[in-house]
Amino acid sequence: AQSVTQLDSQVPVFEEAPVELRCNYSSSVSVYLFWYVQYPNQGLQLLLKYLSGSTLVESINGFEAEFNKSQTSFHLRKPSVHISDTAEYFCAVSRTGSNYKLTFGKGTLLTVNP
Amino acid sequence: DSGVTQTPKHLITATGQRVTLRCSPRSGDLSVYWYQQSLDQGLQFLIQYYNGEERAKGNILERFSAQQFPDLHSELNLSSLELGDSALYFCASSPRDTIASYEQYFGPGTRLTVT
Repeated sequence: AQSVTQLDSQVPVFEEAPVELRCNYSSSVSVYLFWYVQYPNQGLQLLLKYLSGSTLVESINGFEAEFNKSQTSFHLRKPSVHISDTAEYFCAVSRTGSNYKLTFGKGTLLTVNP
Repeated sequence: DSGVTQTPKHLITATGQRVTLRCSPRSGDLSVYWYQQSLDQGLQFLIQYYNGEERAKGNILERFSAQQFPDLHSELNLSSLELGDSALYFCASSPRDTIASYEQYFGPGTRLTVT
């Protein structure tokens, strides 16, 4: 079975500051990794994914995450956050193979203050 | 807008009752997933259907059941409801069986309140 640990339940930052949301996973098999974002009163949206290839993946709105197999981590970073980035961020894993179900972490609430 | 629709948006019911949540996947998507989001358990996978057949089961209670119809919409039935079933229920969909299926598109959710 897989599990995901998001080390911080809440991360408050000021606008234009850098941020890192931490995610560690545990799995005995190969996994794919994802970050989803949930804005207030909305469903989840895929932010970025690692399936294969370059271990550094980027989203269209400036977030990036790096897959580190030796440390079993997939931390999410942004060099300069905006007020509009305030949301809950979920790290998720899916076992490679035919079953695509996602196992989610508990989420990290990112609050960007002016 | 993900293209996944869920109805109703909100549902308030009493303990012991039965409710049905409905999900329409994105056009062309064959897989439907149901997830439950609660404060204490977080986001948990319940069940997956692929082209009408059950593909995988997660932490779904025996009081809960689901099905996917020939037009690919899905329903999640919750019966003998308890206070602890109050949660946000999400449906997600993904394309046919390829690596693209790892990319799931979520609906806006149905908020169930059991009183």
